[in-house]
Amino acid sequence: SQTIHQWPATLVQPVGSPLSLECTVEGTSNPNLYWYRQAAGRGLQLLFYSVGIGQISSEVPQNLSASRPQDRQFILSSKKLLLSDSGFYLCAWNPAGGTGELFFGEGSRLTVL
Amino acid sequence: SQKIEQNSEALNIQEGKTATLTCNYTNYSPAYLQWYRQDPGRGPVFLLLIRENEKEKRKERLKVTFDTTLKQSLFHITASQPADSATYLCALDFTGGGNKLTFGTGTQLKVEL
Repeated sequence: SQTIHQWPATLVQPVGSPLSLECTVEGTSNPNLYWYRQAAGRGLQLLFYSVGIGQISSEVPQNLSASRPQDRQFILSSKKLLLSDSGFYLCAWNPAGGTGELFFGEGSRLTVL
Repeated sequence: SQKIEQNSEALNIQEGKTATLTCNYTNYSPAYLQWYRQDPGRGPVFLLLIRENEKEKRKERLKVTFDTTLKQSLFHITASQPADSATYLCALDFTGGGNKLTFGTGTQLKVEL
């Protein structure tokens, strides 16, 4: 069966520090991968998605970047965090060519102080 | 612009009653619509997908309807239980490609004894 792992689960970072969140999927090949952010009291916002290694689409201009160095690995990064980067970050996947339902990781809670 | 609207007010119902949640969308005719459940501090979990040519879909105590004329989906939980308490999100892909799900802000359901 397929599983998705996301870490770290919680982190507190100072403004201006770098960020790296990692996500890996097991039990499938060539998945579509996604990063969403959920701010307090707001809906899920799609940040990035990837349909293959090295292929990244950005949905909103922001202080973040994403990379897909391996087929089942997706990384969210920032060189310098802003206060507005605080939120709940969710990695998700779905099978290529599927009907779109997403399978989410457990999330990473980021607090920027 | 395209958007999804869910009732932001929490819905409180008594155990055993039927809960009905509403999802409205604008300016689009999606091929399908999805519903997810999200518990506090967790990632959303996929529940049901309904296609444009399906008026109704059921899964155990869950029922989803899809009215493409009204641009509305209704999500029902029959014989509700306290364990059904969670936030329920609807989602659809405005691009039609299946890779960019837009989520509503969700409706919080509380089932009381």
